[in-house]
This record gives sequence, C-alpha cells and structure tokens, in this order.
Amino acid sequence: DAKTTQPPSMDCAEGRAANLPCNHSTISGNEYVYWYRQIHSQGPQYIIHGLKNNETNEMASLIITEDRKSSTLILPHATLRDTAVYYCIGRNAGGTSYGKLTFGQGTILTVHP
Amino acid sequence: EAQVTQNPRYLITVTGKKLTVTCSQNMNHEYMSWYRQDPGLGLRQIYYSMNVEVTDKGDVPEGYKVSRKEKRNFPLILESPSPNQTSLYFCASSLLLAGGPGLNEQFFGPGTRLTVL
Repeated sequence: DAKTTQPPSMDCAEGRAANLPCNHSTISGNEYVYWYRQIHSQGPQYIIHGLKNNETNEMASLIITEDRKSSTLILPHATLRDTAVYYCIGRNAGGTSYGKLTFGQGTILTVHP
Repeated sequence: EAQVTQNPRYLITVTGKKLTVTCSQNMNHEYMSWYRQDPGLGLRQIYYSMNVEVTDKGDVPEGYKVSRKEKRNFPLILESPSPNQTSLYFCASSLLLAGGPGLNEQFFGPGTRLTVL
C-alpha cells in the first residue's frame, strides 16, 4: 500500500504558518500526493495535490522532497477557521487503478488565538 | 451550482432490510467514489468508479454493492445491512487528470449518517 504517516495532532498560533508533514515512503514514481481537510463531520475539502514539483494555490503550498518520500503542507497564515483534520493521501498501490485511495488517520490541526 | 448530492442524509434502519443511498453529481465527472468514516478509523474507501460501467473495490467493499449505469449517479446498495455498517458515508466525484494517471480535485457530498439496529 502507498501508506502515509502523519502526526496525530499539531498546534499553531493564529497568523503564523502551519507546516503539516506527511511521510509517504512507499510512493511510486507516477503517484500523486493529495491533501484534503475535514471540519467536524462535513465532507472533506480538497486543498492541493502534487507529483514532483512544489505547488501553490490560494489555500496552501505543497513542498515535496526530491526523493518524494515526504511532503509538507504549508498554510501560510493560519486562521481559527483552519482548525480541522488534514489528510495526506496517496494512491493505494495494492489496487490496479489510480482511483483507489487511502486516506490515513490525518493530523488534527488546532489553531489558537 | 456544482455539487454532489446524497440521499437520504440520515437513516435509521434494521438489520437485513435492504437499502440504497443515492449519490448524484452535476459536474460531468468521470470518477466517483464511496467512503465510510468511523471514529478512530478515518475515511475508508468502499468502492469507486472510473467511468460508466466501470467499478472496482476499495479497501472495505464487503457487504456493499454499487452500480454506475449513468455518469451522474453512483448508488450504494446494502443488500442486508448489519450493525457494523453503522457509519457516516460520503460520496465523492472528480475529473480525471488530463495528461497522466491521477485524479483532479474530489468534490464530496454532505454525508449520510446511517444507523443499523
């Protein structure tokens, strides 16, 4: 499996950058890394995805190491509304299709005033 | 409005009574998927579909069936529900990435909270 490992919880002060790490040491060359977040029991919300290069959008930046074994999601100026569970997702290599995804346990990010 | 809809949103049923949870998307997405979420276990994929008439098992397919007869709909069928299928269910859809194997942003439905007594 393309197993992902994340710390169970992290804290961040409002206005500071939140850096959420993810290890995906079994990822293969053509597998994307995806990040989603979930607030309470709402449907997960897409944040960003990447393959090899670093990516940035209006929500966050994604830094992928050169060996692609880990990545970091950066929320540049965290707000209280960014408090959520953040999931790093890789394709489940046990499947024959890139549609098979493994969410993992996620990181509970708490942003405090 | 672009969205994924699920019905019902809440359902309480009894063991063995067949039920269907519907999922529909209006974004012409090729990919659709069902997940269940349980405390301490996170989100686990049940089934997914890469396109019409193409479905495949996720990590926890036992006890579930799906069909993809039309692009917009992907119903989840529990032929004989059991209490261990009590869970929060999410449907999602996505475009396939152009130019390479992968998914674009997945849009999730609001969830269906199912209780099987």
